[in-house]
Amino acid sequence: DAGITQSPRHKVTETGTPVTLRCHQTENHRYMYWYRQDPGHGLRLIHYSYGVKDTDKGEVSDGYSVSRSKTEDFLLTLESATSSQTSVYFCAISDASSYNEQFFGPGTRLTVL
Amino acid sequence: GQSLEQPSEVTAVEGAIVQINCTYQTSGFYGLSWYQQHDGGAPTFLSYNALDGLEETGRFSSFLSRSDSYGYLLLQELQMKDSASYFCAVRGIYNFNKFYFGSGTKLNVKP
Repeated sequence: DAGITQSPRHKVTETGTPVTLRCHQTENHRYMYWYRQDPGHGLRLIHYSYGVKDTDKGEVSDGYSVSRSKTEDFLLTLESATSSQTSVYFCAISDASSYNEQFFGPGTRLTVL
Repeated sequence: GQSLEQPSEVTAVEGAIVQINCTYQTSGFYGLSWYQQHDGGAPTFLSYNALDGLEETGRFSSFLSRSDSYGYLLLQELQMKDSASYFCAVRGIYNFNKFYFGSGTKLNVKP
């Protein structure tokens, strides 16, 4: 299994508070992704990174920001959480050698009250 | 844009064969992937079709027809452990760093 972890695994927070989710990989993969998963919507890409300090927006990026200062860490920040951001968040990684295959982390369940 | 459609739910009997379809509308893509996700778990990669035709991996096969904008995942000799959600996904041709997923098909395998 790919070495990819997410923290925290569960979080409950209140509307308006900042939240940061962390994705950590030990595979030295170049590409990292943040998805959210909601019933009926499958997985939707929030942001992705194609290298240290290189990031770009996905299809549902509003209200989210990301940072990648090291190859192994990709942070997702909700500057001011809203109830619509209640979801399960998955981090994924991929590399040039297996580019079409993504390895997913265990997920973070976030509840915004 | 990218749009992938899958049936929301499929039910089949243990030992049977089931086909999960994925139809897509896309301006271009590099290939069709399939992922499996058990309840409460993370998606895991199953297969990838870069070209038209059938790819076989054990009990699972995946098919792609670009001319028909259609693909499917075929599961043979169904087992109870195959009960899960299955997602098709494409990688965009204009931004190959972006992956787009279908909404998923929940497969229920009954004894």
